[in-house]
Amino acid sequence: KQEVTQIPAALSVPEGENLVLNCSFTDSAIYNLQWFRQDPGKGLTSLLLIQSSQREQTSGRLNASLDKSSGRSTLYIAASQPGDSATYLCAGRKAAGNKLTFGGGTRVLVKP
Amino acid sequence: NAGVMQNPRHLVRRRGQEARLRCSPMKGHSHVYWYRQLPEEGLKFMVYLQKENIIDESGMPKERFSAEFPKEGPSILRIQQVVRGDSAAYFCASSPPTAIQETQYFGPGTRLLVL
Repeated sequence: KQEVTQIPAALSVPEGENLVLNCSFTDSAIYNLQWFRQDPGKGLTSLLLIQSSQREQTSGRLNASLDKSSGRSTLYIAASQPGDSATYLCAGRKAAGNKLTFGGGTRVLVKP
Repeated sequence: NAGVMQNPRHLVRRRGQEARLRCSPMKGHSHVYWYRQLPEEGLKFMVYLQKENIIDESGMPKERFSAEFPKEGPSILRIQQVVRGDSAAYFCASSPPTAIQETQYFGPGTRLLVL
């Protein structure tokens, strides 16, 4: 059974600092991994999707890496801004199934 | 192309009543998923449906909960005889039929409060 963990649960940084968010998963038979952003009281916005055959994906200030052998993915956000304050969720999908297994999320606060 | 739509956005029910949550997937999407986010907890998978078929309901509580995705119309998540523990945000996601491992697109959620 796939388990996804995100540590830390909360993170506070000053504006301009780079953010590093960690996600670990127990089952290396992962087909892809997706990073989402959730604002308070809102739905989920997909940020990046990494296929198991890929090692990283980039979109603007965001970069996500995937290391299947160690069961880890990392989301980097460069030059953080107050607008980056949100909860960031990672979710893995098994090869055989289609449901997403979510981590508990990391709540990020970027202070101006 | 409108995104995934869910209604109502907020729903208040008293214990013992029924709650019906609706989800309209993105145009062209025939795969629908329901997830539940309990207060201070992460999102948990409930059920995966295609048109007129339940594919995976391994995350659905055995009693009081049911889901459908008819040939016409939205997907419905139905909770009978609600209890306070059912209070949560319920999210629907959809994906296209072309590749089963595609990105899932999420709706804004329905926040259910049981009094």
